[in-house]
Order: sequence, then structure tokens, then C-alpha cells
Amino acid sequence: EAGVAQSPRYKIIEKRQSVAFWCNPISGHATLYWYQQILGQGPKLLIQFQNNGVVDDSQLPKDRFSAERLKGVDSTLKIQPAKLEDSAVYLCASSLVQGFHEQYFGPGTRLTVT
Amino acid sequence: AQKITQTQPGMFVQEKEAVTLDCTYDTSDPSYGLFWYKQPSSGEMIFLIYQGSYDQQNATEGRYSLNFQKARKSANLVISASQLGDSAMYFCAMRGLVMKTSYDKVIFGPGTSLSVIP
Repeated sequence: EAGVAQSPRYKIIEKRQSVAFWCNPISGHATLYWYQQILGQGPKLLIQFQNNGVVDDSQLPKDRFSAERLKGVDSTLKIQPAKLEDSAVYLCASSLVQGFHEQYFGPGTRLTVT
Repeated sequence: AQKITQTQPGMFVQEKEAVTLDCTYDTSDPSYGLFWYKQPSSGEMIFLIYQGSYDQQNATEGRYSLNFQKARKSANLVISASQLGDSAMYFCAMRGLVMKTSYDKVIFGPGTSLSVIP
């Protein structure tokens, strides 16, 4: 079974530029999560999708971050414009929707904003 | 509000010894799941072990076991016979249903950095 795919793995941009990250979850996983992990901290949920609907985006800075999940499969997270404090690893995870199943994580995208 | 606490920012253990990583949680929900993940320096999050709130037995997976004390709201991870490859960050997480909805929420603790000494 293929795992969660993410791209790119690394990205360096200047502040005020825009960037987009892509995630392809495990086939059949209805729930998709985007996390921001700042160095030395635990993952912080940015947005959670169930199929192609948003169920939690309470911690997403909506003035600069946006995310979509087309057709309930792939997802894209965008930052526009980026700030220095957005430097972090962006993790995508997926899981089955029913029951307290574990999440499967992608390798992450390490973003550096200069 | 739900919360996960991991009070040990860093731990050291001698190779082949056992080590316990602490995790306490706070929730008012009767039904929830507790997870431990390992994050090596390479960055990927690896699922280790799961404990359901209604499970009577403590979960075990190979060298990993979960010391679940529901009344104390603690879910400590025990790693037996530590290996050099166990050096990593370890995160405790809780998954529970959001009230009046059909979806669940996962929260993570701040993590514990484990270093295994040869």
C-alpha cells in the first residue's frame, strides 16, 4: 500500500512570496489533515478535511493560508504572502474516518522563509 | 478543553535498558483514543501504539507497551531493551469526537526527546 505523498520536500522562499504544498493521501482515507510543526514543538493542526469538506480550520490563519481538497482526494495548502514565522515543516496526514484509527503521515515539506 | 502534557522535554537511557516516557491528558469525553508516535531526525512521524479508552488491557507492540491509568488520565509509553535507533522525538496524541459533530479531533503533546547512550 502506498503511503501519504507530499511535495515538494524542501522549499526556500523570501518573505511576501507565495508557496503551495501538495498532498496525496492513502487511497480510501476520507480524513486528511494539514499540520504545521515548528522546530522543537508538536504538530499543530491547521485544517482537517472529511472527504472534500472542511471540518476544522479554527487554527488556520485565513488571511494568508488557504487549503482545498478537490474530489475528496488530493489536497493543496497555500501560503500567500509568506512571513518569516511560517518557517516550519508542513505535515500532511490521512486516516480512516470511522473509529479512532491512527494517522499516517507523509514525509513533510520543510519551508524556510528568508 | 482537551490537552496533552508531556513533562519530560529530554530523556537519556542506556542501551538495552527500559525507559518510560510520561503522558497525561485532559478530556471530559468518555470515549477517546491515545496514540504514541516516533519522529526521528529525518522528520517522518511513525505510529507506535494505540490505546482505546474502553480497552481493559494495556496495549503492547513488540518492545513498546502503554501503561494506561484511566483514573489518573495517564498513558505512559514504556520502551524495553532500548536500542540506538530509538533516539528520536516521541509524541503522545489523543483522538476524540468533537461534541455535537460527527468528526473527531487529534491533539498532540509537545514531545519528549529520547537519547539512547551506547
